[in-house]
Amino acid sequence: DTGVSQNPRHKITKRGQNVTFRCDPISEHNRLYWYRQTLGQGPEFLTYFQNEAQLEKSRLLSDRFSAERPKGSFSTLEIQRTEQGDSAMYLCASSRGTGSVIGSGANVLTFGAGSRLTVL
Amino acid sequence: AQRVTQPEKLLSVFKGAPVELKCNYSYSGSPELFWYVQYSRQRLQLLLRHISRESIKGFTADLNKGETSFHLKKPFAQEEDSAMYYCASYDKIIFGKGTRLHILP
Repeated sequence: DTGVSQNPRHKITKRGQNVTFRCDPISEHNRLYWYRQTLGQGPEFLTYFQNEAQLEKSRLLSDRFSAERPKGSFSTLEIQRTEQGDSAMYLCASSRGTGSVIGSGANVLTFGAGSRLTVL
Repeated sequence: AQRVTQPEKLLSVFKGAPVELKCNYSYSGSPELFWYVQYSRQRLQLLLRHISRESIKGFTADLNKGETSFHLKKPFAQEEDSAMYYCASYDKIIFGKGTRLHILP
């Protein structure tokens, strides 16, 4: 296990096209998070999963965005009909997330390298 | 709503001088707070978390519930500390906008 893996690392697409990003978390991690990061900003929460269940979606995640984690392992983030404003770094992170016991280290995130989207 | 505020976008400090990166949070329950760091061309990684009360690379951070703050401190800055620093709070794990720390020689 080499940590959190994201593919592709960079995607250039034309406005209106669909794109899909994949994230492979650390194998024993139950929680998987997606964030979006633009220049000069911190990671903005998009959504997260506990195993295969999507627990929360940010209002930033319009209906053009969909995320899945079908078997509780890897996850995909799809953006339909891309817009130039979607250009950003899409970060995936995972954590053990076993319950919410503060101090257990279960909520420490391990990040992937990110997938950079450029919409022309 | 859960919120994390880092008031400084950029902090420039001379090598050997003390460093303090500010973080304020708003959270109705008992927060779990973190500092993450991103060095140039590297991934975001955990620096420290409040519950462990540890010192990592000379950095410490104390949770002040009265002031709802979790400031990051280091007594003597080193050039390798130059990076982006993000404060974050559980439960969805919300990040602040980050502070770029620039250590001047």
